[in-house]
Amino acid sequence: GEDVEQSLFLSVREGDSSVINCTYTDSSSTYLYWYKQEPGAGLQLLTYIFSNMDMKQDQRLTVLLNKKDKHLSLRIADTQTGDSAIYFCAESFSSNTGKLIFGQGTTLQVKP
Amino acid sequence: DAGVIQSPRHEVTEMGQEVTLRCKPISGHDYLFWYRQTMMRGLELLIYFNNNVPIDDSGMPEDRFSAKMPNASFSTLKIQPSEPRDSAVYFCASSLSGQGVNNEQFFGPGTRLTVL
Repeated sequence: GEDVEQSLFLSVREGDSSVINCTYTDSSSTYLYWYKQEPGAGLQLLTYIFSNMDMKQDQRLTVLLNKKDKHLSLRIADTQTGDSAIYFCAESFSSNTGKLIFGQGTTLQVKP
Repeated sequence: DAGVIQSPRHEVTEMGQEVTLRCKPISGHDYLFWYRQTMMRGLELLIYFNNNVPIDDSGMPEDRFSAKMPNASFSTLKIQPSEPRDSAVYFCASSLSGQGVNNEQFFGPGTRLTVL
């Protein structure tokens, strides 16, 4: 069945780069997403990548997609304390039902 | 647009009581999703609707849970009777369509439910 896996926790120092990794199982997913959840709030879309792309860059964010290995990563350059949050990877369900499969979330802790 | 609206934001109730959570999706969105988030189980999809029709309720934990969407602008999630293990944050989300980049789900702020 569909499954999305992430490591649960990452701690970095302010100013360093953060890399959050995700693996997924549905090779026919057309879009893959990164959502951010700040404390006490709902999830908010951070960025997405179309499956025919290898990389997408958006300011401090870089998304890398390795379709062969079904591996997705999110790199945050110059990590700030305001980046502390839970980051969820999600894939679109292959039959375009509207459903997204979410990973369990990676808690990013940024130390000053 | 005000985004997805959920009420109440916090609910504290006693075991055995009925709990009703409410959601107003973004106007024009065809899909509505109910999720539950706990430390132990993470984010779980409970049920989702397309054009007010339930599509997949396989995530609903048991018969004590029910969800309705009487019209395009309102949905409820009901727990009757509630139990302490139902304590969680419940999120409602909506999306424009089921395809492509319009598959982006917009989340509400959540309802934090505590069952004593």
